[in-house]
Amino acid sequence: NAGVTQTPKFRILKIGQSMTLQCTQDMNHNYMYWYRQDPGMGLKLIYYSVGAGITDKGEVPNGYNVSRSTTEDFPLRLELAAPSQTSVYFCASRESLTGGDEKLFFGSGTQLSVL
Amino acid sequence: AQSVTQLDSQVPVFEEAPVELRCNYSSSVSVYLFWYVQYPNQGLQLLLKYLSGSTLVKGINGFEAEFNKSQTSFHLRKPSVHISDTAEYFCAVSYGGATNKLIFGTGTLLAVQP
Repeated sequence: NAGVTQTPKFRILKIGQSMTLQCTQDMNHNYMYWYRQDPGMGLKLIYYSVGAGITDKGEVPNGYNVSRSTTEDFPLRLELAAPSQTSVYFCASRESLTGGDEKLFFGSGTQLSVL
Repeated sequence: AQSVTQLDSQVPVFEEAPVELRCNYSSSVSVYLFWYVQYPNQGLQLLLKYLSGSTLVKGINGFEAEFNKSQTSFHLRKPSVHISDTAEYFCAVSYGGATNKLIFGTGTLLAVQP
């Protein structure tokens, strides 16, 4: 089982460059999320999606964009990279169960440096 | 405001000793509580969760946590740690049962020494 797959694992960008972080899951989960993890700050939600064609902002969406054309894929786009976007990015997914079973499945992360 | 507090950024402990990692959350009528573990260079994995029922929750790898509503706490415990338990541990809280509102603490690094 592949689970949640993120690519690339590492990337260095110059200020102003753009890139797309890829995320795909093979569990047929409706809910998908993008988090960033900064040292000593825990995880902050960037964007989330409750199904194909539906996305919404999380806690820290500025500087990012997302799309959800299929159930499997949830790419995160950085249009004009800034040093403040240096972070580790995690994609996660879960089933849309009732009753509050909130188990998230995480990818292994993308370490991004903007110089 | 809704928040999760992990006061200890790092907890050093010797192998086979007991450990407690602390987690407190801001009070709310309805909360779901989680502990996730992150091993080096990996994503987070669910360790255990409290949704309802018994306040003592058992998870994987011998960990357990107790939900204390009066103290708004959900501390994680293990009676005897191993070197392999060295990892970052995150407490997370869902207010009102919506993962879209899942709030993570800042994490506690459990450093197990021989």
